[in-house]
Amino acid sequence: KNQVEQSPQSLIILEGKNCTLQCNYTVSPFSNLRWYKQDTGRGPVSLTIMTFSENTKSNGRYTATLDADTKQSSLHITASQLSDSASYICVVSPLYNTDKLIFGTGTRLQVFP
Amino acid sequence: GAVVSQHPSRVICKSGTSVKIECRSLDFQATTMFWYRQFPKQSLMLMATSNEGSKATYEQGVEKDKFLINHASLTLSTLTVTSAHPEDSSFYICSGQEGGRETQYFGPGTRLLVL
Repeated sequence: KNQVEQSPQSLIILEGKNCTLQCNYTVSPFSNLRWYKQDTGRGPVSLTIMTFSENTKSNGRYTATLDADTKQSSLHITASQLSDSASYICVVSPLYNTDKLIFGTGTRLQVFP
Repeated sequence: GAVVSQHPSRVICKSGTSVKIECRSLDFQATTMFWYRQFPKQSLMLMATSNEGSKATYEQGVEKDKFLINHASLTLSTLTVTSAHPEDSSFYICSGQEGGRETQYFGPGTRLLVL
């Protein structure tokens, strides 16, 4: 069982619509949780980073939330654009081994016009 | 933000040949560099961690004699896939980390196809 699980695996939405991606993790204790965007054939780009004490973090149309009690995080995308089509990866950094990032398998988002 | 580049972006080679992939930190000094491999529709998997001037530390199951890592300077690390085979075909991504800092900055990746 993966320590970081994401849902859904894939998602198709129409341009302009909102969507929410989910991340459940079992890594504990952890230093921080990040959401990355990975375009096809490109490396991951950081969208948000939250420590265990933070509940929410925004970056433009991206808003991440974190519930450390239930070990859940979500990434909400507002007013989606075609360029949002990508994989979104939830990554958790263990507190005692911060270099060993634990990656979720990602959610593949496709935005259609 | 900090920028990491990789070269080449994609490479096709024949089975049995060696391929070198470069990872450069362009605007910061990467005391530590990480090499990841990503198969289609899968997560990034850490292959090895290298500190400048030291031997790389490989993850379990990664052959150090097959994946040679050199981190000779604070801005350059190289990964050489020796005697490449079709099963080595993958997307290789590096990341750089400044000394004392936690954030890893990822490169754009290198697509390797071994025929």
